[in-house]
Amino acid sequence: DTGVSQNPRHKITKRGQNVTFRCDPISEHNRLYWYRQTLGQGPEFLTYFQNEAQLEKSRLLSDRFSAERPKGSFSTLEIQRTEQGDSAMYLCASSLVTGFGNTIYFGEGSWLTVV
Amino acid sequence: SQQGEEDPQALSIQEGENATMNCSYKTSINNLQWYRQNSGRGLVHLILIRSNEREKHSGRLRVTLDTSKKSSSLLITASRAADTASYFCATTNTGGFKTIFGAGTRLFVKA
Repeated sequence: DTGVSQNPRHKITKRGQNVTFRCDPISEHNRLYWYRQTLGQGPEFLTYFQNEAQLEKSRLLSDRFSAERPKGSFSTLEIQRTEQGDSAMYLCASSLVTGFGNTIYFGEGSWLTVV
Repeated sequence: SQQGEEDPQALSIQEGENATMNCSYKTSINNLQWYRQNSGRGLVHLILIRSNEREKHSGRLRVTLDTSKKSSSLLITASRAADTASYFCATTNTGGFKTIFGAGTRLFVKA
């Protein structure tokens, strides 16, 4: 069981630069999520995919954020023109949706620091 | 915005004592889950309880769910220093589309 894999684990970038994070979900999972977490807070929902379709986006996901999941496999989260307020841990998670519940499995997260 | 709210925000106990954390939520749910997060790490799933269940056990963990009060509790018995972590409840809405987390309870178990 390889689990959910995220990379890079840490990224330091200058304000105004673009960054991209990649997530490889558990292979048989059909649903993929992105969350953002800042210190002392719980994860905040950003978006999720059912296979390759992006079904919901949070209002937190401004126009500078875009997520993709080509072919329903790995996903990328790109942040354009980064701002200091984007500094956070970006968590990817996946699940296999059944009629019996929806246990979500998280990766270790990608830390973003915008300087 | 967060759906669940954990209480207390922080809890400090001695090793061997029991730890109880509570979670309240606002809307109808399909299920409620508890997760643990060690500092700087991802979240680890602990237990899922469905909306038609009232109590569930897993090892030293006991979770209760009261849908009439829109609340849940997580009990960790005979706590260990290794239980030191943040604990989050998360609710999935009745459509089953979105799982929302609370702000968490920070548990510190002193050896």
